[in-house]
Formats: sequence, structure tokens, C-alpha cells
Amino acid sequence: KNQVEQSPQSLIILEGKNCTLQCNYTVSPFSNLRWYKQDTGRGPVSLTIMTFSENTKSNGRYTATLDADTKQSSLHITASQLSDSASYICVVSDGQTGANNLFFGTGTRLTVIP
Amino acid sequence: GEEVAQTPKHLVRGEGQKAKLYCAPIKGHSYVFWYQQVLKNEFKFLISFQNENVFDETGMPKERFSAKCLPNSPCSLEIQATKLEDSAVYFCASSQVTTYNEQFFGPGTRLTVL
Repeated sequence: KNQVEQSPQSLIILEGKNCTLQCNYTVSPFSNLRWYKQDTGRGPVSLTIMTFSENTKSNGRYTATLDADTKQSSLHITASQLSDSASYICVVSDGQTGANNLFFGTGTRLTVIP
Repeated sequence: GEEVAQTPKHLVRGEGQKAKLYCAPIKGHSYVFWYQQVLKNEFKFLISFQNENVFDETGMPKERFSAKCLPNSPCSLEIQATKLEDSAVYFCASSQVTTYNEQFFGPGTRLTVL
């Protein structure tokens, strides 16, 4: 069964600290893995996309890693800011164009406090 | 446009009433997707279109849900005789065929059925 699991479910950190979010998946075939940021009341916004051959990708203070052998990914946030408070969703695609090709994790709710 | 637009932002309906949601995809994107987000951030795929043609409708509840993407008009998702369990945020996403087939999400429509 195609599944995407994320941990932790929620996380509270102090402003300026770093944190790492985890994602494990069992999606097959595998095409790519995305990390989305979803602010409260908004749609998901893509942070990074990685294919099978990419094992790290950065977008500013966000760095994602992918281990396709163990089917694990992580999202590392450096020097957190209050605006990082959001849900972070790991999404795996099986590559089918136009079809139901995305498998969503249930997200990690990050709260950054001053 | 450069962003997926969805209207209305909020919709309140009494149980049994009809609800109609609209989505304008990014100009040039040939695929449109509808998702339902309920508790625990779970995204449920409903239906996808390639231009005005239904591409994948495996997630659509057969009886009360319908959707259209007509030329030169916003796409629409209609729920006849709404039920309490239809309360959710409905997201529209659009994509074009690329290496990643990345989907860009709209801001969502929050439907509340009373």
C-alpha cells in the first residue's frame, strides 16, 4: 500500500533554533518527493522537489535530503523564524501525468515561539 | 494568471443545499486537480482534468459530486445535497507536463455544512 508517514506530528521550537522533520514512504513506483509548506488558511507551497538521483536540495534556510534506498527524507530548517510556523507536508509522486499521482503525508505542525 | 485562483474563500450551506466552488488554473496549465482536505491535514484526491476532459475521477463520490472544466470558463466543483461530512477545505491545483509535473495549489475554499 502506498503510504507517506511523517514525524513528529507537531513541534515547538524557539526562534533561531534549528529543527529536522522526518518523512518515510512506501510509494512505488517512485518519481519524486516534495516538501510543501502550508500556512494556516492557505494552500500548500512547494519548498523542494527531489528525484531518485538527488539526495539533497536547498531552498534558502530549508534543506531537504532523500535516501531512496531506505525511502526516507528529512527537511532541515536552519535559524528558524516566526514565519516558519506552518504545517510541513511530505508528498511523494509516482510520476503518472495528470492522474491521482500524489501521496500526501499528514504533515508536521511547526510552531516557532519568540 | 500566474496563480491558481479559487472562489469563494468561504462557503456556508445548510445540510441538503447545493454548493458550487470555482477554480481558475494558471494560464497554460493543461491539468487541473481537485482535493478535499479534512481533519489531520489529510488530502483526498477527487478528480483531475486534462483541459476540458475528465482524466481521473477515481476519488469522486459518485452520487452527489460533479465537476467541469469548460473552455474559457473557470473549472467548477459542485456538491448536490450537501452533508455534514462534506465540511472541509477544497483545494484546486494545476500543472503542466514537465519533468516534475509539479502541481501548484490555490488558496482553497472552506466549505462548512451546518
